[in-house]
Amino acid sequence: EAQVTQNPRYLITVTGKKLTVTCSQNMNHEYMSWYRQDPGLGLRQIYYSMNVEVTDKGDVPEGYKVSRKEKRNFPLILESPSPNQTSLYFCASSPTPGGPYEQYFGPGTRLTVT
Amino acid sequence: QQPVQSPQAVILREGEDAVINCSSSKALYSVHWYRQKHGEAPVFLMILLKGGEQKGHEKISASFNEKKQQSSLYLTASQLSYSGTYFCGTDNTDKLIFGTGTRLQVFP
Repeated sequence: EAQVTQNPRYLITVTGKKLTVTCSQNMNHEYMSWYRQDPGLGLRQIYYSMNVEVTDKGDVPEGYKVSRKEKRNFPLILESPSPNQTSLYFCASSPTPGGPYEQYFGPGTRLTVT
Repeated sequence: QQPVQSPQAVILREGEDAVINCSSSKALYSVHWYRQKHGEAPVFLMILLKGGEQKGHEKISASFNEKKQQSSLYLTASQLSYSGTYFCGTDNTDKLIFGTGTRLQVFP
């Protein structure tokens, strides 16, 4: 089944403890992206990647890192999480090279930082 | 800068029509529309490209006025399954910036 998977789906952690949220897609998509969703603010893009080894900042990149060493994987790294990073995170991928066209979203990861 | 969506919320009876608007202060290359049901991930509905090209999955229509930097999503003869939050997204580079959403509720 064609899909985007994220792990973990739920995570509660403490301030400053490094964490990684994994994202994997099995559709051979070139474009991948991370978003955070907060009430009243909609979806905000954190980082995106046009292809392997090519990443760029989205609208709210502060406090996050990403890497794209393989086409299928695009992990999101929080080196030192803070409470203001408590949010619902979505990974997405797109089959269209050159832009964020039709995107397929993962199921989401709900992160709580205390 | 986030595009502005209006209205923020809509309540409909099954079979009624609705229009959701999206406007941007920046020149646009494309406008994207997604629907998100409660507790689920957003699902792609349609993309409208500069020059008139459109691509979408469902029987939902939309317009894109490039000069006014506006787009509208038309939901006709609404069904219960149309309920959810609708997001427009705009991009003029490779970044995609979403609006804050329009919540649509359809009742029998």
